[in-house]
Amino acid sequence: AAGVIQSPRHLIKEKRETATLKCYPIPRHDTVYWYQQGPGQDPQFLISFYEKMQSDKGSIPDRFSAQQFSDYHSELNMSSLELGDSALYFCASRYGTSGSSGELFFGEGSRLTVL
Amino acid sequence: AQSVTQLDSQVPVFEEAPVELRCNYSSSVSVYLFWYVQYPNQGLQLLLKYLSGSTLVKGINGFEAEFNKSQTSFHLRKPSVHISDTAEYFCAVSVLNQAGTALIFGKGTTLSVSS
Repeated sequence: AAGVIQSPRHLIKEKRETATLKCYPIPRHDTVYWYQQGPGQDPQFLISFYEKMQSDKGSIPDRFSAQQFSDYHSELNMSSLELGDSALYFCASRYGTSGSSGELFFGEGSRLTVL
Repeated sequence: AQSVTQLDSQVPVFEEAPVELRCNYSSSVSVYLFWYVQYPNQGLQLLLKYLSGSTLVKGINGFEAEFNKSQTSFHLRKPSVHISDTAEYFCAVSVLNQAGTALIFGKGTTLSVSS
Protein backbone atom coordinates (compact mmCIF):
# COMPACT_ATOMS: atom_id res chain seq x y z
CA ALA A 1 0.00 0.00 0.00
CA ALA A 2 1.16 3.53 -0.70
CA GLY A 3 2.62 5.36 2.26
CA VAL A 4 3.44 8.95 3.08
CA ILE A 5 6.36 10.10 0.97
CA GLN A 6 8.77 12.72 2.20
CA SER A 7 11.59 14.38 0.31
CA PRO A 8 14.40 14.90 0.60
CA ARG A 9 15.29 12.25 3.17
CA HIS A 10 18.46 14.07 4.13
CA LEU A 11 19.36 17.73 3.79
CA ILE A 12 22.42 19.68 4.87
CA LYS A 13 22.29 23.46 4.99
CA GLU A 14 24.36 26.32 6.34
CA LYS A 15 23.13 28.79 8.94
CA ARG A 16 20.85 31.50 7.54
CA GLU A 17 20.06 29.43 4.46
CA THR A 18 16.59 28.33 3.38
CA ALA A 19 15.23 24.79 3.12
CA THR A 20 12.05 23.28 1.71
CA LEU A 21 10.67 19.90 2.69
CA LYS A 22 7.98 18.15 0.72
CA CYS A 23 5.31 15.70 1.79
CA TYR A 24 3.06 13.57 -0.37
CA PRO A 25 0.20 12.08 1.67
CA ILE A 26 -1.42 8.72 1.20
CA PRO A 27 -3.88 8.91 -1.72
CA ARG A 28 -7.30 10.28 -0.66
CA HIS A 29 -5.91 11.60 2.61
CA ASP A 30 -6.90 15.25 2.91
CA THR A 31 -5.18 16.18 6.17
CA VAL A 32 -1.46 16.69 6.57
CA TYR A 33 0.59 17.29 9.71
CA TRP A 34 4.16 18.42 10.26
CA TYR A 35 6.20 17.43 13.29
CA GLN A 36 9.73 18.29 14.39
CA GLN A 37 11.75 15.81 16.43
CA GLY A 38 15.02 17.01 17.88
CA PRO A 39 17.70 14.54 19.00
CA GLY A 40 16.36 12.42 21.85
CA GLN A 41 13.12 14.38 21.92
CA ASP A 42 9.48 13.57 21.33
CA PRO A 43 7.84 14.76 18.11
CA GLN A 44 6.61 18.32 18.44
CA PHE A 45 3.59 19.34 16.42
CA LEU A 46 4.26 22.25 14.08
CA ILE A 47 1.24 22.77 11.86
CA SER A 48 -1.56 20.93 10.06
CA PHE A 49 -3.75 21.41 7.02
CA TYR A 50 -7.18 20.10 6.19
CA GLU A 51 -8.53 20.49 2.67
CA LYS A 52 -5.75 22.96 1.83
CA MET A 53 -6.54 25.26 4.75
CA GLN A 54 -4.47 25.56 7.90
CA SER A 55 -6.40 23.70 10.58
CA ASP A 56 -4.16 23.74 13.64
CA LYS A 57 -0.95 25.41 14.66
CA GLY A 58 1.61 24.27 17.17
CA SER A 59 5.10 25.40 17.99
CA ILE A 60 6.06 26.47 14.50
CA PRO A 61 8.62 29.33 14.44
CA ASP A 62 7.75 32.49 12.51
CA ARG A 63 10.70 31.69 10.22
CA PHE A 64 8.82 28.62 9.02
CA SER A 65 5.81 28.53 6.75
CA ALA A 66 3.84 25.75 5.15
CA GLN A 67 1.03 25.16 2.76
CA GLN A 68 -1.04 22.40 1.24
CA PHE A 69 -1.57 22.36 -2.49
CA SER A 70 -4.51 21.35 -4.66
CA ASP A 71 -3.15 17.81 -5.00
CA TYR A 72 -2.93 17.66 -1.18
CA HIS A 73 0.83 17.53 -1.04
CA SER A 74 2.39 19.91 1.44
CA GLU A 75 5.61 21.87 1.68
CA LEU A 76 7.39 23.17 4.77
CA ASN A 77 9.56 26.20 4.07
CA MET A 78 12.23 27.10 6.58
CA SER A 79 14.19 30.34 6.31
CA SER A 80 17.09 31.88 8.23
CA LEU A 81 18.06 28.45 9.43
CA GLU A 82 19.61 28.12 12.87
CA LEU A 83 21.68 25.34 14.37
CA GLY A 84 18.73 24.45 16.58
CA ASP A 85 16.62 23.66 13.54
CA SER A 86 18.65 20.49 13.03
CA ALA A 87 16.08 17.75 13.54
CA LEU A 88 14.03 15.02 11.97
CA TYR A 89 10.93 16.47 10.34
CA PHE A 90 7.98 14.15 10.01
CA CYS A 91 4.98 14.50 7.85
CA ALA A 92 1.83 12.54 8.61
CA SER A 93 -1.51 12.23 6.88
CA ARG A 94 -4.98 10.95 7.51
CA TYR A 95 -8.47 11.12 6.08
CA GLY A 96 -9.73 13.97 8.17
CA THR A 97 -13.54 14.04 8.08
CA SER A 98 -15.73 13.20 11.07
CA GLY A 99 -15.74 9.52 11.81
CA SER A 100 -12.05 9.24 11.09
CA SER A 101 -10.18 6.87 13.34
CA GLY A 102 -7.80 9.66 14.19
CA GLU A 103 -4.81 7.51 13.29
CA LEU A 104 -1.95 9.37 11.66
CA PHE A 105 0.23 7.67 9.11
CA PHE A 106 3.79 8.90 9.28
CA GLY A 107 6.42 9.24 6.62
CA GLU A 108 10.02 8.16 7.20
CA GLY A 109 11.05 11.73 7.93
CA SER A 110 13.44 14.28 6.49
CA ARG A 111 16.63 14.78 8.45
CA LEU A 112 17.81 18.38 8.35
CA THR A 113 21.31 19.21 9.49
CA VAL A 114 22.26 22.86 9.85
CA LEU A 115 26.00 23.58 9.96
CA ALA B 1 -6.11 20.97 26.35
CA GLN B 2 -4.89 17.44 26.09
CA SER B 3 -1.62 16.16 27.46
CA VAL B 4 0.19 12.87 27.79
CA THR B 5 2.59 11.78 30.51
CA GLN B 6 4.82 8.77 30.09
CA LEU B 7 5.89 7.87 33.58
CA ASP B 8 9.17 6.15 32.73
CA SER B 9 11.81 7.64 30.49
CA GLN B 10 13.83 4.42 30.35
CA VAL B 11 12.85 0.81 30.96
CA PRO B 12 15.63 -1.80 30.91
CA VAL B 13 14.51 -5.43 30.85
CA PHE B 14 15.94 -8.84 30.09
CA GLU B 15 14.86 -10.84 27.10
CA GLU B 16 11.69 -12.94 27.63
CA ALA B 17 10.67 -10.87 30.67
CA PRO B 18 7.31 -9.08 30.76
CA VAL B 19 7.23 -5.32 30.37
CA GLU B 20 4.79 -2.49 31.05
CA LEU B 21 5.24 1.02 29.71
CA ARG B 22 3.04 3.48 31.54
CA CYS B 23 1.03 6.31 30.03
CA ASN B 24 -1.43 8.72 31.61
CA TYR B 25 -3.42 11.29 29.73
CA SER B 26 -5.33 14.41 30.55
CA SER B 27 -8.34 15.63 28.60
CA SER B 28 -11.69 17.20 29.30
CA VAL B 29 -13.26 15.52 26.27
CA SER B 30 -13.28 12.06 24.77
CA VAL B 31 -10.06 11.09 23.08
CA TYR B 32 -8.43 8.51 20.91
CA LEU B 33 -5.27 6.94 22.35
CA PHE B 34 -2.32 5.50 20.50
CA TRP B 35 1.03 3.86 21.01
CA TYR B 36 3.71 4.38 18.38
CA VAL B 37 7.12 2.75 18.17
CA GLN B 38 10.24 4.31 16.69
CA TYR B 39 13.26 2.19 15.88
CA PRO B 40 16.63 3.95 15.57
CA ASN B 41 16.80 6.30 12.59
CA GLN B 42 13.33 5.34 11.45
CA GLY B 43 9.86 6.85 11.35
CA LEU B 44 6.93 6.29 13.68
CA GLN B 45 4.99 3.06 13.38
CA LEU B 46 1.58 2.51 14.93
CA LEU B 47 1.54 -0.30 17.50
CA LEU B 48 -2.09 -0.07 18.52
CA LYS B 49 -4.95 2.34 19.11
CA TYR B 50 -8.00 2.73 21.32
CA LEU B 51 -11.02 4.33 19.71
CA SER B 52 -13.98 2.85 21.58
CA GLY B 53 -15.40 -0.49 22.69
CA SER B 54 -13.29 -3.07 24.44
CA THR B 55 -10.82 -1.49 26.80
CA LEU B 56 -8.19 -4.10 26.02
CA VAL B 57 -6.68 -3.55 22.62
CA LYS B 58 -4.19 -5.78 20.88
CA GLY B 59 -1.57 -4.51 18.51
CA ILE B 60 1.30 -5.70 16.42
CA ASN B 61 4.35 -7.60 17.65
CA GLY B 62 2.47 -9.10 20.62
CA PHE B 63 1.81 -5.79 22.36
CA GLU B 64 -1.46 -4.92 24.06
CA ALA B 65 -2.77 -1.96 26.02
CA GLU B 66 -5.61 -1.38 28.41
CA PHE B 67 -7.65 1.80 28.48
CA ASN B 68 -8.69 2.76 32.01
CA LYS B 69 -10.98 5.77 31.96
CA SER B 70 -11.21 6.17 35.74
CA GLN B 71 -7.42 6.27 36.05
CA THR B 72 -6.95 8.07 32.72
CA SER B 73 -4.31 5.55 31.77
CA PHE B 74 -3.35 3.60 28.69
CA HIS B 75 -0.48 1.34 29.71
CA LEU B 76 1.31 -0.79 27.12
CA ARG B 77 2.24 -4.37 27.94
CA LYS B 78 4.00 -7.34 26.45
CA PRO B 79 4.26 -10.69 28.26
CA SER B 80 7.66 -11.62 26.83
CA VAL B 81 9.98 -9.18 25.11
CA HIS B 82 12.62 -9.79 22.47
CA ILE B 83 15.89 -8.07 21.74
CA SER B 84 14.22 -6.66 18.63
CA ASP B 85 11.71 -4.75 20.78
CA THR B 86 14.46 -2.33 21.77
CA ALA B 87 13.15 1.03 20.59
CA GLU B 88 11.54 4.29 21.63
CA TYR B 89 7.83 4.07 22.46
CA PHE B 90 5.50 7.03 22.33
CA CYS B 91 2.03 7.32 23.78
CA ALA B 92 -0.21 9.83 22.01
CA VAL B 93 -3.66 11.35 22.35
CA SER B 94 -6.00 12.82 19.75
CA VAL B 95 -9.28 14.61 20.28
CA LEU B 96 -12.28 12.67 19.06
CA ASN B 97 -13.57 13.58 15.60
CA GLN B 98 -11.69 16.81 15.24
CA ALA B 99 -10.58 17.07 11.64
CA GLY B 100 -7.09 18.40 11.51
CA THR B 101 -6.43 18.23 15.23
CA ALA B 102 -3.00 16.86 15.86
CA LEU B 103 -1.74 13.97 17.88
CA ILE B 104 -0.04 15.08 21.06
CA PHE B 105 2.87 12.84 22.02
CA GLY B 106 4.35 11.97 25.36
CA LYS B 107 8.08 12.36 25.97
CA GLY B 108 8.72 8.76 25.05
CA THR B 109 10.00 5.68 26.87
CA THR B 110 13.20 3.98 25.82
CA LEU B 111 12.81 0.23 26.08
CA SER B 112 16.16 -1.56 26.24
CA VAL B 113 16.05 -5.34 26.04
CA SER B 114 19.22 -7.23 26.85
CA SER B 115 20.10 -10.91 26.86
